[in-house]
Amino acid sequence: EAGVAQSPRYKIIEKRQSVAFWCNPISGHATLYWYQQILGQGPKLLIQFQNNGVVDDSQLPKDRFSAERLKGVDSTLKIQPAKLEDSAVYLCASSYRTGGSGNTIYFGEGSWLTVV
Amino acid sequence: EDQVTQSPEALRLQEGESSSLNCSYTVSGLRGLFWYRQDPGKGPEFLFTLYSAGEEKEKERLKATLTKKESFLHITAPKPEDSATYLCAVRRVASGTYKYIFGTGTRLKVLA
Repeated sequence: EAGVAQSPRYKIIEKRQSVAFWCNPISGHATLYWYQQILGQGPKLLIQFQNNGVVDDSQLPKDRFSAERLKGVDSTLKIQPAKLEDSAVYLCASSYRTGGSGNTIYFGEGSWLTVV
Repeated sequence: EDQVTQSPEALRLQEGESSSLNCSYTVSGLRGLFWYRQDPGKGPEFLFTLYSAGEEKEKERLKATLTKKESFLHITAPKPEDSATYLCAVRRVASGTYKYIFGTGTRLKVLA
């Protein structure tokens, strides 16, 4: 079974530029998550989708970050304009559903962003 | 306030030297505790889920246990390939949905 796919793996941009990350979840997984992981810290949830609806975006900096999951499958996370403090790994993850016994979040390899 | 604390932050072991990593939590409405392994440059890899106090799960040299306030990841006779960051996460119910809260991880280095 294919895992969570993310691209690009690495991106270096200048501050105030824009960047977009793409994610394709595990087939059949209805729930998709975008996490931000700063070096030395644990993942922090940015946004959670259930199919193509937003379940939680309370920690998404909406003045510069946006995300969409139009057809309930793949998703795009955009940052515009980027700040130095956005340098982090952006992890996409998916699960069969939001909760319940036996449900597990599976992560992709991450997209590494450096803002200079 | 929900909190997940992992200790120690970093741990160096000699090959074969057993030890334990700790994940303590303050969460209302716990709906599972998860352990992940994260290698440098990679995303977290799922290891275990524990749901109730007293539950134990094992995989090769790893054993995870759960109490009402904390979880331990026991590493028996570790090998250099066990070197990684180990993350724990708790899942709770909030506003009708499930939320996951991650700790900051324990960086494990096993020396040959």
